[in-house]
Amino acid sequence: RKEVEQDPGPFNVPEGATVAFNCTYSNSASQSFFWYRQDCRKEPKLLMSVYSSGNEDGRFTAQLNRASQYISLLIRDSKLSDSATYLCVVTQIHSGGGADGLTFGKGTHLIIQP
Amino acid sequence: DAMVIQNPRYQVTQFGKPVTLSCSQTLNHNVMYWYQQKSSQAPKLLFHYYDKDFNNEADTPDNFQSRRPNTSFCFLDIRSPGLGDAAMYLCATSREWGAPEQYFGPGTRLTVT
Repeated sequence: RKEVEQDPGPFNVPEGATVAFNCTYSNSASQSFFWYRQDCRKEPKLLMSVYSSGNEDGRFTAQLNRASQYISLLIRDSKLSDSATYLCVVTQIHSGGGADGLTFGKGTHLIIQP
Repeated sequence: DAMVIQNPRYQVTQFGKPVTLSCSQTLNHNVMYWYQQKSSQAPKLLFHYYDKDFNNEADTPDNFQSRRPNTSFCFLDIRSPGLGDAAMYLCATSREWGAPEQYFGPGTRLTVT
């Protein structure tokens, strides 16, 4: 079973619509959760961290459900510039008890259409 | 101002011909990472340095080596590139190991002919 799973898409969404996608993780001891954004042929950049209480940054809302082991990202009033790949990222706890590095999902490809 | 710089942005090498990719950072971060990313795949961590301590991922082939001569610079050496090594190679930094945010360079796209 893959550690971090995402629907690869593509999600084709009209401009102005609301779009949501999920990510599931397999390691129940996963510690921290993030959404990164990666534009075509560019490097990943941190979009937002994901907290248990949920957090919002402008048009973007991230939620974490530890019981079901999934993370969601909601984008409201989508813009053409939101077109990108959204990578779900978790940090793990390794067997020695220390923090591990980032584990990336393959990403969900989002296309906003005019 | 660029914070994580990678050179070159595009590299073409021949099958079996050693190649070195470079990364530099102006953030003075302790940790530097090398990732390999193939098309439609997640970035895959190859190794990281915490200061001068080198940490290899278990499944990173021996063909890949790295050097970090000082805080600012880190190199990825591919000793005998194969066709399967064609990918985007991303360098990243973070203040500490396990820090939530990693700062990525623009990547070097490697082609093997």
